[in-house]
Amino acid sequence: ETGVTQTPRHLVMGMTNKKSLKCEQHLGHNAMYWYKQSAKKPLELMFVYNFKEQTENNSVPSRFSPECPNSSHLFLHLHTLQPEDSALYLCASSQASQTNYGYTFGSGTRLTVV
Amino acid sequence: AQSVTQLGSHVSVSEGALVLLRCNYSSSVPPYLFWYVQYPNQGLQLLLKYTTGATLVKGINGFEAEFKKSETSFHLTKPSAHMSDAAEYFCAVSAIVPGGSYIPTFGRGTSLIVHP
Repeated sequence: ETGVTQTPRHLVMGMTNKKSLKCEQHLGHNAMYWYKQSAKKPLELMFVYNFKEQTENNSVPSRFSPECPNSSHLFLHLHTLQPEDSALYLCASSQASQTNYGYTFGSGTRLTVV
Repeated sequence: AQSVTQLGSHVSVSEGALVLLRCNYSSSVPPYLFWYVQYPNQGLQLLLKYTTGATLVKGINGFEAEFKKSETSFHLTKPSAHMSDAAEYFCAVSAIVPGGSYIPTFGRGTSLIVHP
């Protein structure tokens, strides 16, 4: 498999549930990102990891918890979410030192909080 | 700080007509500029980018964009629209900031509608 793979593609969860989103990249990149895409809003950067270290956290609520065990895998742990957290969550990767090459995005996880 | 403005949340063209999607940016340092395309239920795919050098850049699927520093613009064009071009298009600007990070800022996106 190549590129950036996100699982699951769709997720419906209740507000009291705990779930995790998974992202895996097979490109040899060393930077990974979580973005939130909501209808009628700009793409929102949530977290940035460079060489497995979190370098950016854009004031994301604590109910979202990222984890980057190695440079190929990125998780987003979810708990006690709100209906307004329903969105498409996109993972992306890049070569940290060469971000002028652009990002490679996964297909996203469509999250619905009920 | 950097920002991106995409004029028009929706652009509608007929098949075979010129496609023009507008993007203006602001950046306090020389920018890197990108256009991404997103098809339904997919992630974003890099269409083309400007880093340095030639200001007219060509991308995939017959798209091209011209970096105009004096106008702070990076408009996306395609001479002849195809039905398969219908998608959401995002302009992004990325510049190195204090601390050495390159973090892109995305526009709100423009939905391209192609009529038969």
